[in-house]
Amino acid sequence: KAGVTQTPRYLIKTRGQQVTLSCSPISGHRSVSWYQQTPGQGLQFLFEYFSETQRNKGNFPGRFSGRQFSNSRSEMNVSTLELGDSALYLCASSPRQDNTEAFFGQGTRLTVV
Amino acid sequence: KNQVEQSPQSLIILEGKNCTLQCNYTVSPFSNLRWYKQDTGRGPVSLTIMTFSENTKSNGRYTATLDADTKQSSLHITASQLSDSASYICVVSGGSYIPTFGRGTSLIVHP
Repeated sequence: KAGVTQTPRYLIKTRGQQVTLSCSPISGHRSVSWYQQTPGQGLQFLFEYFSETQRNKGNFPGRFSGRQFSNSRSEMNVSTLELGDSALYLCASSPRQDNTEAFFGQGTRLTVV
Repeated sequence: KNQVEQSPQSLIILEGKNCTLQCNYTVSPFSNLRWYKQDTGRGPVSLTIMTFSENTKSNGRYTATLDADTKQSSLHITASQLSDSASYICVVSGGSYIPTFGRGTSLIVHP
């Protein structure tokens, strides 16, 4: 069974640009959640999608958005990039909304210069 | 405000020794508590998951305990191995299953 796949693995963008990250969940998993990990703040919850609907959202500005498709694949978008957006962005999938069985991908390392 | 505090921040032990990591939380209402292991450059991997009614859960050499009254959890690693070197993250989910993460404990196991 394939794990959670995130693409791309590494990305370098300049301030002001926008970026789209992709996450393919484990087959059969309908819940996808996104997280930001930085050395200063640790892991922080961005948002969670279940059956194409955003169910929960963390405390991040509106520049961070996401969506989920009918095949459960998810994308997150960050607009008007800032230097502080440099981080490891992790995606996790779960068969249920309660996330008790969340499986993480390898993450996308975003560097904003 | 929901918070998860982990201690120690970092720990160095010799191979074969045991160690215990601590997690205190103020998340309310409580849904579940999870311990994850994260190797450098990789995504976190789940070690244990505990709900309110569970006070201990084992996964091989890893044993987690939960005291819901004092809102404390611990992760005990027995007979440590070099491959145990990693960051260990405590995650507590509250209402609506929104997770709150601890900053993690960085464990280094020396031969």
